[in-house]
Amino acid sequence: EDKVVQSPLSLVVHEGDTVTLNCSYEVTNFRSLLWYKQEKKAPTFLFMLTSSGIEKKSGRLSSILDKKELFSILNITATQTGDSAIYLCAATNYGGSQGNLIFGKGTKLSVKP
Amino acid sequence: GAVVSQHPSRVICKSGTSVKIECRSLDFQATTMFWYRQFPKQSLMLMATSNEGSKATYEQGVEKDKFLINHASLTLSTLTVTSAHPEDSSFYICSASQGYDTEAFFGQGTRLTVV
Repeated sequence: EDKVVQSPLSLVVHEGDTVTLNCSYEVTNFRSLLWYKQEKKAPTFLFMLTSSGIEKKSGRLSSILDKKELFSILNITATQTGDSAIYLCAATNYGGSQGNLIFGKGTKLSVKP
Repeated sequence: GAVVSQHPSRVICKSGTSVKIECRSLDFQATTMFWYRQFPKQSLMLMATSNEGSKATYEQGVEKDKFLINHASLTLSTLTVTSAHPEDSSFYICSASQGYDTEAFFGQGTRLTVV
């Protein structure tokens, strides 16, 4: 059975800290890995990774995929209280379309002032 | 980015009644739409995949007669929770994709409470 496992499940840090969120996957015919940020409502897209070793960056956020070890990390530097959210990792496979996402349980990040 | 609108954002209904949730792609044609369900403190679980003009494909364990999905046009899919019960109370989210190889965009979600 395909699965995506995120760790830690929750994390509390202070503003300015750097955090690393982990995502491992076991997915048949793996295609891509996506990161989302979920606040009170629907998830918002952060990154989509398809190739190993290529870091994607957006401001203070960055992510990288290791297809050999079957994991991805999401880094957030100089955290702010607005980064508090649940971060979801999801995988897709070639059996379905890019919208057919297999989600992890998420990491709840709390950033204290 | 592409916009997906989901309506209503919140609904409270009585046990035994049916509730319809709409998912619209506002600025693109959505060949495929996905419906997810999220229980408190849990992740999104895919319920079903619908392609315009054909029957939805349901994930294992999801009752197709209880969760009716219609994708009659390229911009609209609906999820009807029939004979709702309190255990159906959850957060339902749709996403829409232009095609097989393109990213899907999420609606805002619907918080359903059955009393």
